[in-house]
Amino acid sequence: GDSVTQMEGPVTLSEEAFLTINCTYTATGYPSLFWYVQYPGEGLQLLLKATKADDKGSNKGFEATYRKETTSFHLEKGSVQVSDSAVYFCALSGADTDKLIFGTGTRLQVFP
Amino acid sequence: KAGVTQTPRYLIKTRGQQVTLSCSPISGHRSVSWYQQTPGQGLQFLFEYFSETQRNKGNFPGRFSGRQFSNSRSEMNVSTLELGDSALYLCASSYGTRQETQYFGPGTRLLVL
Repeated sequence: GDSVTQMEGPVTLSEEAFLTINCTYTATGYPSLFWYVQYPGEGLQLLLKATKADDKGSNKGFEATYRKETTSFHLEKGSVQVSDSAVYFCALSGADTDKLIFGTGTRLQVFP
Repeated sequence: KAGVTQTPRYLIKTRGQQVTLSCSPISGHRSVSWYQQTPGQGLQFLFEYFSETQRNKGNFPGRFSGRQFSNSRSEMNVSTLELGDSALYLCASSYGTRQETQYFGPGTRLLVL
């Protein structure tokens, strides 16, 4: 069945460092891909999305490109801030369903 | 536009009891999905409702059930609670077309003692 694999955390960075969180997926057809972020004690917030191959989603300095050839959707940010500290979830929804399948989440800790 | 709201935010129950959680979707959204989040299992899909009909269901026992009302508000019920049902229950809404972005509420944190 469909699945999402993302890198284990925590990822610990200094402020202004470059961030990459790897995400790969297995799915039939052409899924939509998402990154959600969860701050402590809160629900999930959509960070960005991409619905077809080579699409680039971007928001708040974060970017991810839908790579069908490598089945990947890696999250990147050029300069992280302390306020970016949170758990990041990669997810997909299949071509024929709205059900979201999530990765295990990656905790990001940014220190001043 | 108001976001997805969930009530209550926190709940403490004992084993064997039942619980009902409520979710009000974003205005105009017709699809409501429920997810369970635990440290051990991560985020798992429970079920999805669209126009008062269950459209999709995850791999949870029959103790977990839900429904959707004509105004798109949804409830989920867990009967005969077990310790392992302690979790954050998240509700998400969308317009209901395929692969539409889902918007999440803040969740209901359930603790079963």
